[in-house]
Amino acid sequence: GENVEQHPSTLSVQEGDSAVIKCTYSDSASNYFPWYKQELGKGPQLIIDIRSNVGEKKDQRIAVTLNKTAKHFSLHITETQPEDSAVYFCAASKSLGADGLTFGKGTHLIIQP
Amino acid sequence: GAVVSQHPSRVICKSGTSVKIECRSLDFQATTMFWYRQFPKQSLMLMATSNEGSKATYEQGVEKDKFLINHASLTLSTLTVTSAHPEDSSFYICSATTGSYGYTFGSGTRLTVV
Repeated sequence: GENVEQHPSTLSVQEGDSAVIKCTYSDSASNYFPWYKQELGKGPQLIIDIRSNVGEKKDQRIAVTLNKTAKHFSLHITETQPEDSAVYFCAASKSLGADGLTFGKGTHLIIQP
Repeated sequence: GAVVSQHPSRVICKSGTSVKIECRSLDFQATTMFWYRQFPKQSLMLMATSNEGSKATYEQGVEKDKFLINHASLTLSTLTVTSAHPEDSSFYICSATTGSYGYTFGSGTRLTVV
């Protein structure tokens, strides 16, 4: 089955700096790659996603890049703010809607004031 | 936007009893619903996939007789943890999808078995 590796497990950055979280996946059939933000005691919230026919997607301060050849995708957050502090998960799916998601282990992002 | 409601948010039950968790898609009809389990400071692990009117498909290692899933309509799926034991204590999260617009997650249920 699919295996998603996520690094780093903890990331501390100064407010205003950029943060980058990286994931790799094992199954070349995976074609949908979402990123979720999870706050303590709550369900995951989608922040951005990308499909395999696109190499990059941006939404204001958040961007995701996908390298299908390397089976690698990354989350980039610019101009970080204290409210960006949370746990972030990457995930992969082979068939959007039909298959469930395989999640990475998560990254605890800490924004230092 | 798509909203998924999950209830209860917290439940404490005695060992040996059963607990039912509801997951509803409020503003869309979900073709498929998923159930995940999350232990403290760990990732989400897919437990099962359910389609309306069909038997759920369970992931390897998940006991289907312990975790009963019913998907009676396009807006409601339930997870019943039967004969719960302390090791079943966890955070259970449902997700729903229309197939085209990604996965929307519920707010989760914290189950504590005492």
